Amino acid sequence: DSGVTQTPKHLITATGQRVTLRCSPRSGDLSVYWYQQSLDQGLQFLIQYYNGEERAKGNILERFSAQQFPDLHSELNLSSLELGDSALYFCASSPGTSAFQETQYFGPGTRLLVL
Amino acid sequence: AQTVTQSQPEMSVQEAETVTLSCTYDTSESDYYLFWYKQPPSRQMILVIRQEAYKQQNATENRFSVNFQKAAKSFSLKISDSQLGDAAMYFCAPFVNDKIIFGKGTRLHILP
Repeated sequence: DSGVTQTPKHLITATGQRVTLRCSPRSGDLSVYWYQQSLDQGLQFLIQYYNGEERAKGNILERFSAQQFPDLHSELNLSSLELGDSALYFCASSPGTSAFQETQYFGPGTRLLVL
Repeated sequence: AQTVTQSQPEMSVQEAETVTLSCTYDTSESDYYLFWYKQPPSRQMILVIRQEAYKQQNATENRFSVNFQKAAKSFSLKISDSQLGDAAMYFCAPFVNDKIIFGKGTRLHILP
């Protein structure tokens, strides 16, 4: 158990819909990262937040958005969903802001299926 | 656009032996970082080693070392004296202009 929690574990929805994925970082960690993992694209970094502020941005689509709240939990919002958005979405946390230069602790992931 | 290729989806090595994981990448930038991460079943993403592109000297961290060939855009990871705890998924990841791109990973099995 990494200490990072993600809900829900599974999500099935239809094209065009909007979903929200939630992540709680490890106690004491200030950075939260969101990743998308699919068979064809591999692991893709989406976005990082540090203590409520956006810190780094990856290949995040405009239909996707995220935020980190004062209690440090984070939400990833996916809208106008397409079939190709079906993937495993991971959240990770780390103590500081040194983007990618410290160990990240991954949650168990949310498996999204868009039908 | 940056791309990264790990051509070995899976590899196996005998305990105590040496194994090399390959990685090639493409970027038009001259200044960047290169990382190797290890992801064991516990789901950490552990930074194994990093290389600054402006440094010619290959990075080493205990049993881990890299062979960085900037002109060839190659960044391989050598693990010496392999141990059972080295079994994991290994990701190569260039970090260019504040953006990180992960390879598809190499799953490393350690045979006792």
